[in-house]
Parts: sequence; C-alpha cells; structure tokens
Amino acid sequence: EDQVTQSPEALRLQEGESSSLNCSYTVSGLRGLFWYRQDPGKGPEFLFTLYSAGEEKEKERLKATLTKKESFLHITAPKPEDSATYLCAVQETSGSRLTFGEGTQLTVNP
Amino acid sequence: EAQVTQNPRYLITVTGKKLTVTCSQNMNHEYMSWYRQDPGLGLRQIYYSMNVEVTDKGDVPEGYKVSRKEKRNFPLILESPSPNQTSLYFCATAPYPPSFIGELFFGEGSRLTVL
Repeated sequence: EDQVTQSPEALRLQEGESSSLNCSYTVSGLRGLFWYRQDPGKGPEFLFTLYSAGEEKEKERLKATLTKKESFLHITAPKPEDSATYLCAVQETSGSRLTFGEGTQLTVNP
Repeated sequence: EAQVTQNPRYLITVTGKKLTVTCSQNMNHEYMSWYRQDPGLGLRQIYYSMNVEVTDKGDVPEGYKVSRKEKRNFPLILESPSPNQTSLYFCATAPYPPSFIGELFFGEGSRLTVL
C-alpha cells in the first residue's frame, strides 16, 4: 500500500526565513510525485510534478526536489502570501489513483 | 475561464435524506474524481472516472454513488447520508488519463454536515 508522510505538520517562519518541507513516500514504483498548495476554504492548486530521482522544479520562491524516498519543497525568502497548506501526492506506475499526504501548514509572519 | 464548479458549496442535512453534489467542468477533461478531506486523514479518493460511462471505486467508496453520463458532469450521490459523511468534498479533473492524473484541477469544495 502506498504511503505518504509529510513533516512537519505545521511550520511557522518569519518573512525571509528560508526552510524546507519534507514528503517521504513508499510506493512500489513511482510514476510521479506532485506538490499542491491549498489556501483556507479553497481547493488544492497544482504546483509541480517530479518524475525521477534527481529532478528539480522551480517556481518563484519554491523549489521541489526528489530522491528515491522523499521529496523536499524548499522555500527561499518566504513572504506572508506563501502561507498555505502544502500537500504532496504520489502516483504509482501501475495505478490510476493518487495517495495524498496530510500536508504541512505553513505560516509566514511579516 | 477554466473551471470546476461544485454545488452546493455548503449544505446541512439530516441523516437519511438523499442528496446530490454536482460537479461540472468546462475544460473537456476526460478524468474526473471525488475526494473527501477530513482533519488528520487528509484527502481520500471516493470514486473516479476515466471517461464517460467508466467509473471505479477509490479508497473510501462506501455510502456513495456516482455516474458519468456526460463528459462534463460527475455528480456525487449520497443515498442515505450518515453523520460520518460530514466532510469537505472536492471534485477534481485531469486532462490526460492515466499518465498525468496527478496534475489535477480542483473545485472550490462542498462542505457537507449531516446531523
């Protein structure tokens, strides 16, 4: 059974204080790992897809990386508008479903 | 504008009273899915559909039904709602099944309370 574990559950940063969120996964074969951002009261918004170990994707202050067992979402010099819950999900090669982690709630204080 | 529209957005109902949550998309996506989101449990898939007339169970299908008669619509039916179905529900779509179903477009969510 696919498993996705995100840590920490919650993270509070000061504006400009860089940090990383972790997504550990267990899957028989990885088709893709996906990062989403979810604002309160809204549906998740797709950010990145990573397919293979060593791959990196960037978008503004966010950079996602992937190893064979985990993915990191690095946030560089965050701003208050980066506050949200960040979700990670995996799809295995033989499957047609996603398994989501519970998310990391990020708060960036001005 | 690309949209996934859910209705109703908020609903309070009573045990046993049948209800339908509608989902409509204007992006011509083949893949549609329903999720529920609960504190401490994350997003869990209820049902999904790869195309018209093709549906399959997700991880938590008990107590729910779906149908896919048209490409754009994918309603979620609760025949006899119970309090454990109180949750936040999301409809999601993707353009290219099965390879890229991780790049989902989500609706705004429907918060359902069953008393």
